[in-house]
Amino acid sequence: EADIYQTPRYLVIGTGKKITLECSQTMGHDKMYWYQQDPGMELHLIHYSYGVNSTEKGDLSSESTVSRIRTEHFPLTLESARPSHTSQYLCASSDSGRTNYGYTFGSGTRLTVV
Amino acid sequence: RKEVEQDPGPFNVPEGATVAFNCTYSNSASQSFFWYRQDCRKEPKLLMSVYSSGNEDGRFTAQLNRASQYISLLIRDSKLSDSATYLCAVNTAGNTGKLIFGQGTTLQVKP
Repeated sequence: EADIYQTPRYLVIGTGKKITLECSQTMGHDKMYWYQQDPGMELHLIHYSYGVNSTEKGDLSSESTVSRIRTEHFPLTLESARPSHTSQYLCASSDSGRTNYGYTFGSGTRLTVV
Repeated sequence: RKEVEQDPGPFNVPEGATVAFNCTYSNSASQSFFWYRQDCRKEPKLLMSVYSSGNEDGRFTAQLNRASQYISLLIRDSKLSDSATYLCAVNTAGNTGKLIFGQGTTLQVKP
C-alpha cells in the first residue's frame, strides 16, 4: 500500500476558480514531484522539490505553483483554473538515500475545468 | 530527440507468449533505470529496478545495455493481467534523483 495520498481524487470546477491539489506522504521522503498526464499520453514533470523550502519548475511549463513548508506536504495551486488545465495530476516522492527504489506515486487527481 | 524513447505499440500477443520491450536513453551518464507498470487511468507502479548485471523477478527480466544505451523488459508466459502500459524511467545526470519517463509501451494480452 502506497503511503502517499492525494486529494481530491476527482475535481470538477468552473473556469477562474482557485484550486489546491493536496499531496502528503508519510515515508519521510525528502524529494517530491508533480507530474501532469493527459489520457494515453506521457508523464510531464511540472514541479519538484528536494526538501523543505526548495521548489523548482519542471520540464513542462505550468501556470501552477507549489510550496514545501513541511517535508510530508507538497500542495499544488492553480490561481485561476482554465479548461486547458484539465488533466490528471500525479504526485510522487523519493528518498535521495535510496535511489534504487525509484518513485512512489499517489493515486492522482483527475481535474476537469468547465 | 527525446531523452527516453519507447515504441508506444500496442503490442498484441496471445496468452502464454513471450514479449520484449526496449527503451533507449540519450544521456550516457544516467545511473538508475526502472520499469513501471501503469493500468488505465491509474498511477504508475514500480515493476522493477534495472541493475547492471540484469535482474529477474518471476516472469519478468530486465536488462541494461550501457554500450547501446537501452534497457529491456522481457515478459515470459504472458497473462491477461499483464495487459497495461509499461513505462521506462531513467534518472538525469548527476544523481539528482529526477527521473525522465518514456511515453510507455502498451501491451494487450489476448485469450
